[in-house]
Amino acid sequence: AQKVTQAQTEISVVEKEDVTLDCVYETRDTTYYLFWYKQPPSGELVFLIRRNSFDEQNEISGRYSWNFQKSTSSFNFTITASQVVDSAVYFCALSEGAGGTSYGKLTFGQGTILTVHP
Amino acid sequence: GAVVSQHPSWVICKSGTSVKIECRSLDFQATTMFWYRQFPKQSLMLMATSNEGSKATYEQGVEKDKFLINHASLTLSTLTVTSAHPEDSSFYICSANDVTSGRSNEQFFGPGTRLTVL
Repeated sequence: AQKVTQAQTEISVVEKEDVTLDCVYETRDTTYYLFWYKQPPSGELVFLIRRNSFDEQNEISGRYSWNFQKSTSSFNFTITASQVVDSAVYFCALSEGAGGTSYGKLTFGQGTILTVHP
Repeated sequence: GAVVSQHPSWVICKSGTSVKIECRSLDFQATTMFWYRQFPKQSLMLMATSNEGSKATYEQGVEKDKFLINHASLTLSTLTVTSAHPEDSSFYICSANDVTSGRSNEQFFGPGTRLTVL
């Protein structure tokens, strides 16, 4: 069975601080995908990134960066120089790779509520 | 990018009535769609997998007679909450795979439907 754990329920920072959101996953699949989504108060999920299990390169997109470490089954997300607009709930998610019986289904972590204060 | 719409965006109904929620892929075909439920301050939980032209596959603990899913075309899946009760009040979100492009493992989420049962 797949499982995603986001140990941080809530994080509160002051604007311009860096913040890292942790994500640890469990799966028996050798091929899988990891995702991060942002959910602002409106409720609509905003896709941030998808990473497949064979690509362990870290990625940077503007103020966002992701650290994928297969050895520790972690896929952490860092926001540099946080802004008030970053305040939202962030979800880490996992799906099985193509060909599996659970292909396409997402298993979500519990979510981390990030509040950035001015 | 691929767009998924949901209708209605919110609905309030009386206990005992049935409510139908539509999920449409606007610019791609989706042989598979997924329905998630999110209770306040909680994560998204997969309810069922909707397959075009066949019966939906429900996750453990989800009552198939209460949450009727119909996927009659490649662009439309509907979720009907039958005899709704206050405990069914939740945020319902659908997602779809775009299998016609190279993004077959990318999930596109609808904006969600907020159901309140009085």
